[in-house]
Amino acid sequence: GAVVSQHPSWVICKSGTSVKIECRSLDFQATTMFWYRQFPKQSLMLMATSNEGSKATYEQGVEKDKFLINHASLTLSTLTVTSAHPEDSSFYICSARGRSTSYGYTFGSGTRLTVV
Amino acid sequence: SQELEQSPQSLIVQEGKNLTINCTSSKTLYGLYWYKQKYGEGLIFLMMLQKGGEEKSHEKITAKLDEKKQQSSLHITASQPSHAGIYLCGADDNNDMRFGAGTRLTVKP
Repeated sequence: GAVVSQHPSWVICKSGTSVKIECRSLDFQATTMFWYRQFPKQSLMLMATSNEGSKATYEQGVEKDKFLINHASLTLSTLTVTSAHPEDSSFYICSARGRSTSYGYTFGSGTRLTVV
Repeated sequence: SQELEQSPQSLIVQEGKNLTINCTSSKTLYGLYWYKQKYGEGLIFLMMLQKGGEEKSHEKITAKLDEKKQQSSLHITASQPSHAGIYLCGADDNNDMRFGAGTRLTVKP
């Protein structure tokens, strides 16, 4: 089946530094990748959608300069949280969708980011 | 964009009892997904429904999509502590997936 590998699974960083999260589709080509954020006791909120080779489309209220998304290949997308602040602490999870509709949406295992 | 309303927000049941979680959409659903999650962990795919009136079952979990394709329900029979977690419904919306607010299920032994 379709597998998406996301890492790191958790990261602690100092305020003001940048953190990169990677999301890889292991056995299929991910034409579209999605990045979500989840705060405690809340649902997943879509942050942005990216198609391979194109600029990401950000949801309203999500700062594109703060959350840099790169989808340079059909198997890799990265989310970089720049100049992280404690309020950016959250659970980030990616999802990938391939050309074949049979794959549907495949989710990574998520990254817990703590900014201190 | 499509809005999904889930109910109830939280649910506490005694082990062995049946329960139902509902997901209602503001638009026609073209793909409705059910996931289970524990906060801070990844999503576990449960079922996907596409056709009006469709019903799928896996072990003790049954999901249905109504004929109008605007409402789905997830039913758990004879609940067990292992069923505890957050249940999320998600829908295809203009080529991305959006989620309901989730239902937090607690099963008391």
